[in-house]
Amino acid sequence: EAGVAQSPRYKIIEKRQSVAFWCNPISGHATLYWYQQILGQGPKLLIQFQNNGVVDDSQLPKDRFSAERLKGVDSTLKIQPAKLEDSAVYLCASSSRRAGTSGGYRTDTQYFGPGTRLTVL
Amino acid sequence: TQLLEQSPQFLSIQEGENLTVYCNSSSVFSSLQWYRQEPGEGPVLLVTVVTGGEVKKLKRLTFQFGDARKDSSLHITAAQPGDTGLYLCAGVWTNAGKSTFGDGTTLTVKP
Repeated sequence: EAGVAQSPRYKIIEKRQSVAFWCNPISGHATLYWYQQILGQGPKLLIQFQNNGVVDDSQLPKDRFSAERLKGVDSTLKIQPAKLEDSAVYLCASSSRRAGTSGGYRTDTQYFGPGTRLTVL
Repeated sequence: TQLLEQSPQFLSIQEGENLTVYCNSSSVFSSLQWYRQEPGEGPVLLVTVVTGGEVKKLKRLTFQFGDARKDSSLHITAAQPGDTGLYLCAGVWTNAGKSTFGDGTTLTVKP
């Protein structure tokens, strides 16, 4: 089974420029996550999709960050314009959790991609 | 905001030694997960603990979930250089499966 694919692996831009990251989740996984991991910190959730709908984007800086998952498969995360503090690794993860799971609570395994390391100069 | 504190932040030991790392919170979680992350890679799930007081073993790794489901520990017996990495805990605290990650413990095992 192929894992979560991300591209590019590395990106260097100057502040105020725009950048986009791409993620291809594991086939059949309904849930897709974007995380930001700043050096020395744990991943911070930016946005969670269930199929092509947004479940949680409460920590997404919407004035500069945007994300979409138009066909419920691939996703792109965009930053425009970038700031110095956006330098981080951007991780994409997917899980097979589906909306409407009946009764109780289930913890699904999140499978992470290798990430995109962004450096903003 | 549910916060998870991990300690120690850094740990450097010799091969063969035992170690324990901790994950603490003032919040109650539905479940707690431990991940290991190597440089240039994404985190990989090691274990999920769900029940207060639960103990799970994965070869030389022993995971324990606190009785009150607020804290957890990871114990490694006879550490090996291959155990080197960033160990992250993540508390799962809503029915939507939202996770909050700690900032991790960076473990270095010297041969």
